[in-house]
Amino acid sequence: DVKVTQSSRYLVKRTGEKVFLECVQDMDHENMFWYRQDPGLGLRLIYFSYDVKMKEKGDIPEGYSVSREKKERFSLILESASTNQTSMYLCASGGDSNQPQHFGDGTRLSIL
Amino acid sequence: EDKVVQSPLSLVVHEGDTVTLNCSYEVTNFRSLLWYKQEKKAPTFLFMLTSSGIEKKSGRLSSILDKKELFSILNITATQTGDSAVYLCAALTGANSKLTFGKGITLSVRP
Repeated sequence: DVKVTQSSRYLVKRTGEKVFLECVQDMDHENMFWYRQDPGLGLRLIYFSYDVKMKEKGDIPEGYSVSREKKERFSLILESASTNQTSMYLCASGGDSNQPQHFGDGTRLSIL
Repeated sequence: EDKVVQSPLSLVVHEGDTVTLNCSYEVTNFRSLLWYKQEKKAPTFLFMLTSSGIEKKSGRLSSILDKKELFSILNITATQTGDSAVYLCAALTGANSKLTFGKGITLSVRP
């Protein structure tokens, strides 16, 4: 079974802090993704990576950056957290276009 | 801009009912249509549909894709309370397997 592990289920941070969300997958997938999920808006893609050190912007990249130094790990960084970044963050990984993405359990992030 | 629309947004049924969930899409470089079920935590994968007209089944759930009319349906027969969840539809596009999601359908199954 594919396992996608996110480092925290719940996280509370303060406005202006730098926040790191970590994601690790164990299936040697090339592609990894970060989404945020908000009521009424569904899942929206923030960034994705199709190889080590490669990244592409998704639909809502503003205020975020990412890092992929190793194939199995994909980090989402909030450079200076703001209250409108309070959300559920979901990481996913997938192989080629014939395979579905598999999701981690999510991190519920609150910015105070 | 890629767009996926699901309907209805929410649905309340009684155990034993049959439900049909709808998903339409307008995307470029379409590859596949995926359905996920989300309860409290991670979305879990249900179906991946790439070809038109071929029904995929898993127990009481089934799904089909119409690439001409750009939509898919997810059917659940003999619903149970454990089917209560948010059902997500997503279009897979492009070479890097990007997913565009609909807003989800909240299904509540009452005993």
